Amino acid sequence: DIQMTQSPSSLSASVGDRVTITCRASQSISTYLNWYQRKPGKAPELLIYAASSLQSGVPSRFSGSGSGTDFILTISSLQPDDFATYYCQQSHTLPYTFGQGTNLEIK
Amino acid sequence: QVQLQESGPGVVKPSETLSLTCIVSGGSIGNNYWTWIRQPAGKGLEWIGRIHRFGSTNFSPSLKTRVSMSVDTSKNHISLKLTSVTAADTGLYYCAREEILVGGYIRDEALDTWGQGTMVTVSS
Repeated sequence: DIQMTQSPSSLSASVGDRVTITCRASQSISTYLNWYQRKPGKAPELLIYAASSLQSGVPSRFSGSGSGTDFILTISSLQPDDFATYYCQQSHTLPYTFGQGTNLEIK
Repeated sequence: QVQLQESGPGVVKPSETLSLTCIVSGGSIGNNYWTWIRQPAGKGLEWIGRIHRFGSTNFSPSLKTRVSMSVDTSKNHISLKLTSVTAADTGLYYCAREEILVGGYIRDEALDTWGQGTMVTVSS
């Protein structure tokens, strides 16, 4: 299986901050990388697919970059609704594995 | 807009079989893969496997000997069975629709619609 490693595992930030979350794959996955947001009691939401494409309806403050093994999710200006857990997932090779998650908390 | 709702027994005894259902509303099963994901207690998301309406399946190697899935297009639902459960199978179980999304120069398979999840506890 391809191992996905996210960093940091948790992060404290304030409204208005610029935040970056990193995801590293154990082997090259081209741009087959997706980002999801999960909040307790709610259905997880797809934010970014194909490493850098913004899913329809997702605010433009979210962006993704990277290819090969290293990827970044950026939130340009944190909003109160953004405090959640974020996961990356590779869709290059079955099984489509997830990172362990990054818990974004209010400072 | 497609919505997914998982349901299950809540509590399952060790060594028994866990059975979950995911009802698809607001749309049809279509030509998609349907995926099950879980979050074991205190851990991250784990991809369990997926099924296509025509029966093609892929499972996680760590679970493949215990997992089965099925699709009922007449009832618009997807089912998951996990046999010989242990406490390690306790967690939140999600179903999700896999959609092919074109980005850059690739056709990506991403989970664009998820249910809210159903909690499963393995306990005697």
